[in-house]
Order: sequence, then structure tokens, then C-alpha cells
Amino acid sequence: QSALTQPASVSGSPGQSITISCTGTSSDVGGYNYVSWYQQHPGKAPKLMIYDVSNRPSGVSNRFSGSKSGNTASLTISGLQAEDEADYYCSSYTSSSTLVFGTGTKVTVL
Amino acid sequence: EVQLVQSGAEVKKPGESLKISCKGSGYSFTSYWIGWVRQMPGKGLEWMGIIYPGDSDTRYSPSFQGQVTISADKSISTAYLQWSSLKASDTAMYYCAIGSSSDYFDYWGQGTLVTVSS
Repeated sequence: QSALTQPASVSGSPGQSITISCTGTSSDVGGYNYVSWYQQHPGKAPKLMIYDVSNRPSGVSNRFSGSKSGNTASLTISGLQAEDEADYYCSSYTSSSTLVFGTGTKVTVL
Repeated sequence: EVQLVQSGAEVKKPGESLKISCKGSGYSFTSYWIGWVRQMPGKGLEWMGIIYPGDSDTRYSPSFQGQVTISADKSISTAYLQWSSLKASDTAMYYCAIGSSSDYFDYWGQGTLVTVSS
């Protein structure tokens, strides 16, 4: 199974909105509503931000939202803040009953 | 409070065996999936596999099938990741993580750094 495709980097100014895409196939992203997103700051463990395409765990800011269309899922961060600068990874359930991560996106707050 | 405490950093030589651990507390150990994720230096996350301690259902990524073994001991709420013969390319940070569902991870351990060098 190949890693899901994400842009290597996305940037935005404070207060702006950015969107990170995550492209897979009909055997993963397109086939299930089981896409999740993780935030990872340098030297830290990942943190779950979105699960099952668009659900936010308790404690995660509502500035983070997720969606999906066909084989591509998206994470949108609105009202960008300095603390949002991190690496972001998508993940999807697959037809093999396994998970696959995306290639990762570095978000820079200008 | 949910906690996943992983064993400490390891330095090994190629060809040696290794078993690292992940002890869970603050939740029902047999009711959550436990997975392992590799992160090589400066690289992204890679899903290795997952186990459900309740019935020992275990699934591996094709990339890691046959290369590692995932297990769990319900009696001490601990999951394991083991290698029978390490390679230099196994040098990485390894995270354990748990999920109430098999499709995402709610909580993560602090990571175990494994260095394999002659």
C-alpha cells in the first residue's frame, strides 16, 4: 500500500485559512469515511485532530475541520495561529483492514 | 488519565534481537486497539501494525509483515514490538498509540528511539 499524497508544505499568515489535501484511492480514502488527521510538533508525539473525516476529539479547537470528496480528504485550519505551525499527517483505513498515513505536510505560519 | 509509557531508548548492533514495550493505564486495556508507528529520522509516520488485546486480533502493514512481531500481555496491560534480527535501517523512533476504533489513534506514547549501528 502506498502512502497517501499530501503537499510537502503549506503556509499562511496569522488569521488566514489554509487547506491541506490528502489524496488516495478508492481502496482507502475514497472507499471509507475513516480518514483522520494528526498534528506533530518537532520532537513530540503526534496528536489526533480529526477522526472519521470530520469529527473533532474533545479539546481540539473548532478552527480545525475536515472533509472529503471522492478520493481526496482535506483539513482546513481557519484563523491560523503561530501555535499551528507543525507537521500534519492524514491517515486512512484501507481495504486490507490496515491503515496508511499520508506523506506529511509542513505548515508554516508566516 | 490515559497514559502510555514506553520503554527507554535502545542502542543495538545489526543482527541483534530487540523487544520494546508500551504499558497502558487509565483505560480498559482489552477494549482499545494498540498500534505501532515508525518515524525514521527526519521522515514521516509509517503505520506498522495493530493488535486488539481483547482477542489478540493482529494486523500488519504489508511493509512490516514478517519483519516485526506485535504482541500484548493483558495481565500487565503491556504491548510489545519485537525484532529477531535488527538492521541499520530499523533506526527510528517508534510510537505506540491506542484507539477506541481500529481506524484512528486517540492517545500516543512518548516514543522509543531505537538506534542500530555497528
